[in-house]
Order: sequence, then C-alpha cells, then structure tokens
Amino acid sequence: EAQVTQNPRYLITVTGKKLTVTCSQNMNHEYMSWYRQDPGLGLRQIYYSMNVEVTDKGDVPEGYKVSRKEKRNFPLILESPSPNQTSLYFCASSATAFAGGPGELFFGEGSRLTVL
Amino acid sequence: QQQVKQSPQSLIVQKGGISIINCAYENTAFDYFPWYQQFPGKGPALLIAIRPDVSEKKEGRFTISFNKSAKQFSLHIMDSQPGDSATYFCAASLSGTYKYIFGTGTRLKVLA
Repeated sequence: EAQVTQNPRYLITVTGKKLTVTCSQNMNHEYMSWYRQDPGLGLRQIYYSMNVEVTDKGDVPEGYKVSRKEKRNFPLILESPSPNQTSLYFCASSATAFAGGPGELFFGEGSRLTVL
Repeated sequence: QQQVKQSPQSLIVQKGGISIINCAYENTAFDYFPWYQQFPGKGPALLIAIRPDVSEKKEGRFTISFNKSAKQFSLHIMDSQPGDSATYFCAASLSGTYKYIFGTGTRLKVLA
C-alpha cells in the first residue's frame, strides 16, 4: 500500500529537549516536504527536499532542521523545542511533475506535538 | 505575493445544497491550483486540481472554476452531502520552484 508514515503520532515534550519526527514514504517519490498546521493559519511549509541531499527552506524554517540521506526518509529535527512549536505536523511526498515542480502531494496522518 | 487567500473560514450548508469556497492569489506565475480535503485526524488528500490553461474542471460533484484575469479560483460542491463535511484547502504551486502555498482552510459542515 502506497503511504507516507510519520512517527510519533503524538508527543508531549518539554522546552529544550531535542526531538525528531520521522517520515518515510514507499512510493519512490523525489519530492518531500514538511508542513505545520495551526488554527486559522492553514498549512505552512517548513522545509522541502527535491531529492537526496537537496533541501531548502520553506516559509517557516526557524527552529527546525531536516536531512535527506535516503530517498524514502525525511526526518524533521527540533534541536531545542519551544512552546511556539506546539502544532500539528504533516509530512508529504510527491513525484516531480511537469517542469520539475511537485504535483499531487501525498500526506502522512500527522504528528501532534505539544511543547511544555 | 506568495499568499493564497481563502474564504470563508467556515461554511454550513444544508444537504443537497451547493457549497462554494473561494481563493485568490497574487503571483501570476503560479501554474497549478489544487484543492485538498481533510477529515478529522487525517492528512489532507487531493480532491481536484486545475492548471491555468482551462477555466473549469469537473469531477463528479466537484468543480473548480478558474478566473485567470481576476486571479481567483473556487471550489463548487454540488448536491452537498454530510460525508462532505471536512476542511478544504486551496493551494497554488509554481513549477520549478518546488514551493507549494496553501490557503488557510475552510471548515465545511453539511447538515443532514
């Protein structure tokens, strides 16, 4: 079954304690991206990756890191989480569409993070 | 210039009615305009998408209307059903930039 898998689905942590949210896709997609979803703000892009070892900042990258060492995995790292990073996080992947841009995004089921 | 403005924030429609959600964009270089549907506890999923070379696309009860000159596009849900109750996001993408901009979402509730 084609899917994007995120872990953990739920996490409560404390300020400053480093954490990693993993994302894995089994569709051999080149493009992967992280979003955070907050009420009234919709989905905002954190980081994206066009392929292995190629990443770039989205609209809200502050406080986050990513890496793309393998095509299927794209972990999101919070080195020193703060309460304003409390949010619902989504990983997504896509096969690159025409002219090199992403087409349909396939989303994971989300990771709800609470930072106390 | 990278924003996509979506309205309304919430919408209540009677069963069988028409649901209309609107989005406006500023960057005329956007060339892919999808709509995503999200049910509670799930990730968004592509519902329907359009490219700017057509003015309308229909898939079943769902239609996108696209007005290039006004820089607006809208989602119409005909014969709305309680099962359509979800949050809907419009988005815009620009080929070659790998950026994908989402609207703020519309929470639709269809009353039985």
